[in-house]
Amino acid sequence: SQQGEEDPQALSIQEGENATMNCSYKTSINNLQWYRQNSGRGLVHLILIRSNEREKHSGRLRVTLDTSKKSSSLLITASRAADTASYFCATVIYNQGGKLIFGQGTELSVKP
Amino acid sequence: DAGVTQSPTHLIKTRGQHVTLRCSPISGHKSVSWYQQVLGQGPQFIFQYYEKEERGRGNFPDRFSARQFPNYSSELNVNALLLGDSALYLCASSSAAWANEKLFFGSGTQLSVL
Repeated sequence: SQQGEEDPQALSIQEGENATMNCSYKTSINNLQWYRQNSGRGLVHLILIRSNEREKHSGRLRVTLDTSKKSSSLLITASRAADTASYFCATVIYNQGGKLIFGQGTELSVKP
Repeated sequence: DAGVTQSPTHLIKTRGQHVTLRCSPISGHKSVSWYQQVLGQGPQFIFQYYEKEERGRGNFPDRFSARQFPNYSSELNVNALLLGDSALYLCASSSAAWANEKLFFGSGTQLSVL
């Protein structure tokens, strides 16, 4: 079964608005990562947050991690049409290094 | 510098056939991982190799096998293809031995089984 569940499955917003995607997981993790995928091709790493971190920023991206609730959120501020893509969270389970377990993704559409 | 390269880009096979997918990691990366992505779902882990040794195997049947060569490139082999094997196969490389941090993905091989 999937470790990560993402919410919402699809999100449509206007350019300039903020987009928030959520990810929940089931077991203790080593770290949690977010990836972007354009048009069903290769994934691009966006940001990694470790289990002992609560918040990280990278440009217009802000990621939070709540290990007590086993959840994470990705915020994209001032979205652009070029942000249109699928976004996946991926967890590395504690003591099971070597594989990432991906959620089903959130499909983001940013309309100009 | 070149990123992760995969070949072929697209492939059409019929049930029962065998397929070999190839991957070249980023120069200097010794870890290669393989993932299967079915349409509408997230990628699922198949294998991870580091320094030519298998470090991890996902929940896939024995029809799936892989290997890593001395130059760190890798092949994924799938025997006795089933319709359900139709998917995007992604290769990722990493500098980390356990491939549990930032992965660099190729553009994938789209496999269609008819």
